[in-house]
Amino acid sequence: GAVVSQHPSRVICKSGTSVKIECRSLDFQATTMFWYRQFPKQSLMLMATSNEGSKATYEQGVEKDKFLINHASLTLSTLTVTSAHPEDSSFYICSGWDVSGGADTQYFGPGTRLTVL
Amino acid sequence: QKEVEQDPGPLSVPEGAIVSLNCTYSNSAFQYFMWYRQYSRKGPELLMYTYSSGNKEDGRFTAQVDKSSKYISLFIRDSQPSDSATYLCAMSADSTLTFGKGTMLLVSP
Repeated sequence: GAVVSQHPSRVICKSGTSVKIECRSLDFQATTMFWYRQFPKQSLMLMATSNEGSKATYEQGVEKDKFLINHASLTLSTLTVTSAHPEDSSFYICSGWDVSGGADTQYFGPGTRLTVL
Repeated sequence: QKEVEQDPGPLSVPEGAIVSLNCTYSNSAFQYFMWYRQYSRKGPELLMYTYSSGNKEDGRFTAQVDKSSKYISLFIRDSQPSDSATYLCAMSADSTLTFGKGTMLLVSP
């Protein structure tokens, strides 16, 4: 099946710094990508829907100025956590929709574990 | 063998039918089990969240977990056309989530 990659897989940063996470669809074009956050022993929570060439749609309670999303191409979406704080420590996972060849399937990336000290 | 196996479907049923969706898994460390519903090109929404074995009911939805068989199920009673969507199972041992590929459900009026 199609592959979605994320980079980095793990990141540790100091409080107040910004962290960028990349999500790439490796063998399909994803006009829509999703960003999720998962706290320890919690279920996955959708943060935002990223649409290529337009502004992301954020879920209620997610600060759009803190979690900047850019979907500049059909294969790349980035999530930047600005001025990160310890409470932002979490597991961030992206996914992309593959609608090529009649398929309509979502593929998830492996996730990025962010630790803010 | 993949960690989580889920039949991609599509599963087509008439309105009012009872739907059974299933996943099998191989990692005995999984403790948390979830079912997500996702409409086309929308983000998944969490339907059911279950810890360890047992049943959980919420309206027309019932989730079952059988850890001895490494098998989980989602039952939908009185299915409606609006239930037509892709259903994803997901599970975790700690904070790393492993998803099934999703089963597409089509409920015809």
